[in-house]
This record gives sequence, structure tokens and C-alpha cells, in this order.
Amino acid sequence: KAGVTQTPRYLIKTRGQQVTLSCSPISGHRSVSWYQQTPGQGLQFLFEYFSETQRNKGNFPGRFSGRQFSNSRSEMNVSTLELGDSALYLCASSLLSRANEQFFGPGTRLTVL
Amino acid sequence: GQQLNQSPQSMFIQEGEDVSMNCTSSSIFNTWLWYKQDPGEGPVLLIALYKAGELTSNGRLTAQFGITRKDSFLNISASIPSDVGIYFCAGQLGAAGTASKLTFGTGTRLQVTL
Repeated sequence: KAGVTQTPRYLIKTRGQQVTLSCSPISGHRSVSWYQQTPGQGLQFLFEYFSETQRNKGNFPGRFSGRQFSNSRSEMNVSTLELGDSALYLCASSLLSRANEQFFGPGTRLTVL
Repeated sequence: GQQLNQSPQSMFIQEGEDVSMNCTSSSIFNTWLWYKQDPGEGPVLLIALYKAGELTSNGRLTAQFGITRKDSFLNISASIPSDVGIYFCAGQLGAAGTASKLTFGTGTRLQVTL
């Protein structure tokens, strides 16, 4: 069974631009969560989607948004990029019956210049 | 954002040694998970714990859900070079079967020398 896939793996943007990251969950997984990982703050929860609805949201500004499609694939968008948005963005998916166990993709490394 | 306290922060051990690390929180969790992350990769789920006092093993790894629900422990027996990486604990408020956000620990960096 294929794992969680994320595209692109690496991205370089400049301040003020916007970016869209994509996540395809493990087949059959309908819950998708996004996390930001930085050396200073560690792994921080961004948001969680299930059945195309955002169920949980972390403490991030409104520049960070996401969505989920009917096939459970998810995207997250960051607008008006700031230098501090440079991070590894991780997507995780889980089965409805074992919702606690989140399986992570390899991440997208975003660098903002 | 909140991070759970993990200790030790890093450790160098020799191959064959046993390793212990722990994770503490100021608030209770209903689920504890342990992950390992290799450089350039996402965290890999090692063990999930659902009940206070529960002891669960996965090969050479054993984890325990603390009685107070505010801590968890991970032991690795007979370490091998591929155990190198960063180990994260994560707590979840959601009960078994309900998804909720993971609150991660600060990580323990493990290095194994031959």
C-alpha cells in the first residue's frame, strides 16, 4: 500500500508570494492533518480535514488555509509568504476506525527568501 | 505553540546498549504516540498507547502510558545503528478512535556509536 505522498518535495519562494502544497493520503484514509515543523517551534498542528470539512484548527494566522477534496486529497495554501514561514510542512492521514494513528508523508520543504 | 517536554534532549550510546527516554506534559492526554524521524523524512509511527498504565511493545521498542496520563516512556533494547534518528512523543486529547490534533514533544536525538 502506498504511503502518504506530498508534492512538491522542495519549494523556494520569495516574500509576498503565495504557495499551494498538495497531499494524497493513504488509500482509504479520510482524515488529513497538516503540521509545520521548524527548528525553533518543533512540530505544530495547522489543521485537520475530514469529509471535506475542517474539523480542527491550530493557532496560525489566516494566511494559512487548506481544503480537502471528495477523494480525500488535500491542499494547503499560504498567502503573502513571510521569511518565518520557511519550514517543513507535513501531511498526515488516518483511518476513521483508528483515527488516533496518524501516518505522515515525507513533507514539503518550503524556503522563503 | 505548546510542546511537550522530552528528555534527554540528545544521547550518544554504544551499539547494544538499552535506551530510555521520557515525555512529560502539564495536562493530561487520552492517547500517547511515539514517532521516529530520519533526516529529510516525515515521522514514522512506532507505538500507540490508549490506556493509562498500558505497556506496549513493537520489536525492541517498549512504551508505557503513564498512570497520571501526563507522561509516557519509551525504551529501546539492544540498540543498533539504524536506531539513529529523532524520537518524538505526541499526545492526543481525543479518546481511542477519535482524531484530534497531535501535540508533539521537543524530541530526543539518538546517536549510536559502534
